[in-house]
Amino acid sequence: SQTIHQWPATLVQPVGSPLSLECTVEGTSNPNLYWYRQAAGRGLQLLFYSVGIGQISSEVPQNLSASRPQDRQFILSSKKLLLSDSGFYLCAYTRSAYNEQFFGPGTRLTVL
Amino acid sequence: QKEVEQNSGPLSVPEGAIASLNCTYSDRGSQSFFWYRQYSGKSPELIMFIYSNGDKEDGRFTAQLNKASQYVSLLIRDSQPSDSATYLCASSYTGANSKLTFGKGITLSVRP
Repeated sequence: SQTIHQWPATLVQPVGSPLSLECTVEGTSNPNLYWYRQAAGRGLQLLFYSVGIGQISSEVPQNLSASRPQDRQFILSSKKLLLSDSGFYLCAYTRSAYNEQFFGPGTRLTVL
Repeated sequence: QKEVEQNSGPLSVPEGAIASLNCTYSDRGSQSFFWYRQYSGKSPELIMFIYSNGDKEDGRFTAQLNKASQYVSLLIRDSQPSDSATYLCASSYTGANSKLTFGKGITLSVRP
């Protein structure tokens, strides 16, 4: 069976500090991978998606970046965090042509 | 611009009642539709997906799709307090590399 992991679970960072969030998927190969952000009381915002190693598509211009160094690893990064980067960051993967997505447990980021 | 609209909430129903959650979508090309449940502070969990017109039942949940009218609904029979959560509707094209378009969600409260 497939499993998706994210870490850390929670993070408190000062403005201007760097960020690295990691997502890994087990039990499947060549998944499509997604990063979303959910701000408090708001909907899901797609940030990045990847259909393969080294292939990243950005949905929203911002100070975040993503990388996919391995087939089942997806990393979200920032060089300098902004207050507006606070939110719940979710990684997801798809495993079929119907595109049902399965989410990881998320990382709650607070930027102070 | 693809949009998924969910009727404004919150929705409150008594325990044991049928909860009806509705969703409309603007893109007639959408082929797959998903319902996610999100408990407060947790990540979304896929509970139903449907791609054919008509009804699809899974336990106490029934998803209904009407492509002519461009709406999707989720019925929850015998609602329980544990069903209290935010429900997200999403649509997608079928086929690899398609993205999901999410609605903003509706919060359901089941009162004992």
